[in-house]
Amino acid sequence: GESVGLHLPTLSVQEGDNSIINCAYSNSASDYFIWYKQESGKGPQFIIDIRSNMDKRQGQRVTVLLNKTVKHLSLQIAATQPGDSAVYFCAEGGTASKLTFGTGTRLQVTL
Amino acid sequence: DVKVTQSSRYLVKRTGEKVFLECVQDMDHENMFWYRQDPGLGLRLIYFSYDVKMKEKGDIPEGYSVSREKKERFSLILESASTNQTSMYLCASGSGIGRSEQYFGPGTRLTVT
Repeated sequence: GESVGLHLPTLSVQEGDNSIINCAYSNSASDYFIWYKQESGKGPQFIIDIRSNMDKRQGQRVTVLLNKTVKHLSLQIAATQPGDSAVYFCAEGGTASKLTFGTGTRLQVTL
Repeated sequence: DVKVTQSSRYLVKRTGEKVFLECVQDMDHENMFWYRQDPGLGLRLIYFSYDVKMKEKGDIPEGYSVSREKKERFSLILESASTNQTSMYLCASGSGIGRSEQYFGPGTRLTVT
């Protein structure tokens, strides 16, 4: 929603640069991780996911890295565009289809 | 494309009123979820359902109830709305088979005065 971005850590990136958004997860038993993007006034949209048996997965302009040793997840966006401005959430889950969400990071793309 | 729709985008209710938030999905998903989203707190799970007439409490079920009479529809009920239930409410659905991806609706911004 419109107020989601308040109180969130903010990453400011220049258009064309690469963005890296980080997330620490809490449950070492989680075996599935997702990144969501939420634009103002909209619900979260799926970007990319990764299972715990992988450490890297690539999509279109996005890459997710998983480091299980330190329980860390990152989302890399190549050649960041103004349309990438949004709040990004990581989520962790198990086989029960229930997800636990992080608090989010706001990405601001400057021209 | 998966479509999850919510009955209202904006809703204003008075303290003590009974509030119904409706969610419909068109992908025949078994799992449906209700979250609330507040600044600085992220998405918190209120209730979820794995099947028709089945419901499970999430992390913050107090003050809420749910109903799932049909597979495609999941309703969130505030029996007696209070000002601390002013929030953005998000519904999601997912197949729960293999992948655990959830698809979200656009959200309902509820204000309780």
